[in-house]
Amino acid sequence: GIQVEQSPPDLILQEGANSTLRCNFSDSVNNLQWFHQNPWGQLINLFYIPSGTKQNGRLSATTVATERYSLLYISSSQTTDSGVYFCAPRFSGAGSYQLTFGKGTKLSVIP
Amino acid sequence: DVKVTQSSRYLVKRTGEKVFLECVQDMDHENMFWYRQDPGLGLRLIYFSYDVKMKEKGDIPEGYSVSREKKERFSLILESASTNQTSMYLCASSPQGYEQYFGPGTRLTVT
Repeated sequence: GIQVEQSPPDLILQEGANSTLRCNFSDSVNNLQWFHQNPWGQLINLFYIPSGTKQNGRLSATTVATERYSLLYISSSQTTDSGVYFCAPRFSGAGSYQLTFGKGTKLSVIP
Repeated sequence: DVKVTQSSRYLVKRTGEKVFLECVQDMDHENMFWYRQDPGLGLRLIYFSYDVKMKEKGDIPEGYSVSREKKERFSLILESASTNQTSMYLCASSPQGYEQYFGPGTRLTVT
């Protein structure tokens, strides 16, 4: 069946360090989103990235749709980056309105 | 900026009560969605709507119904709340086929 796998499941970083979060998906996609869930539960949109590379400040993302993966890069991490990061592709084909969420990567940035 | 609002941040209801969760978006989006989020299970789609009065079941519709009488408003209804419906409920909206935006969430406890 359709699968979204995120790695690593947990990550602890020292403030200032860089990291790469990975998302593998099992089928072709129409688009893909990355979210950050803050401690209050709000999902914050980071990137809408069906293919290619985008950058927003210290964050950037790359999706290689033909190889079925996406990467989220966080540089010079800050304590406010802590939280859970979700990858959510929208798969092609029937019933393709919905996003399918991975289980997330829980990031803890320590001072 | 896209704004999605939900009627309550926290809600406590008793078993058997009828519960209404409301979601409003201000961007004239065609699509609206209701998800629930549970530890270890991630985000799962309950229902979505692609137009006024139109709805489709998601992955876990049992025990829920929805209503969309106006384009900007999408309601989730628990006909007879049960303890296994204690969860975080997240509403989202999107223009046709594009980026989804989430509300702040409602933490529902059923006792």
